[in-house]
Amino acid sequence: EPEVTQTPSHQVTQMGQEVILRCVPISNHLYFYWYRQILGQKVEFLVSFYNNEISEKSEIFDDQFSVERPDGSNFTLKIRSTKLEDSAMYFCASTLGGSSYNSPLHFGNGTRLTVT
Amino acid sequence: DAKTTQPPSMDCAEGRAANLPCNHSTISGNEYVYWYRQIHSQGPQYIIHGLKNNETNEMASLIITEDRKSSTLILPHATLRDTAVYYCIVRVASGNNRLAFGKGNQVVVIP
Repeated sequence: EPEVTQTPSHQVTQMGQEVILRCVPISNHLYFYWYRQILGQKVEFLVSFYNNEISEKSEIFDDQFSVERPDGSNFTLKIRSTKLEDSAMYFCASTLGGSSYNSPLHFGNGTRLTVT
Repeated sequence: DAKTTQPPSMDCAEGRAANLPCNHSTISGNEYVYWYRQIHSQGPQYIIHGLKNNETNEMASLIITEDRKSSTLILPHATLRDTAVYYCIVRVASGNNRLAFGKGNQVVVIP
């Protein structure tokens, strides 16, 4: 069964450094998402992406964040200058969308980002 | 901004059916009910979804009341691997629309 894959599984970085989290969505999916989950808290929506542009973003997704689909398969989340409070699990998701308007989101197993 | 209410936790006996309730009294006509689960900080796993009819797949059954104000997820034969946080989420039927996660229901399957 096709799945969303994320790399790396664990990323450690120093405060102020830039990180790029990578995701390969399911191949025929059209809508892509990033979520995060701080330890012990809820899964929070960050951003959705369709047709090479951001569809919706939350208030968490400020100017330090950006997303990109650099080629036909990868979907990336860049955090420009990491802060301690960016430490969290980051989940990528994708869905078919289009005429399958109620298609579910499928999630990867996440990247654990630790900012020291 | 979750629009559903679930118990914070419940225990279920291994091998028995587990019935997980969810209230969504303000659900709109174009909103589906989705169920996901999260096992120990893995990514949320899709289980099932429905609009108004009952649904069944290889993982679970979803029973939606006629007025659509509540639903029950049924795991027919709970195993220890079903221990997880279960999320009941309402979502507008749109390819773009995000899922909004609440705190979920921590389900523990007991031997």
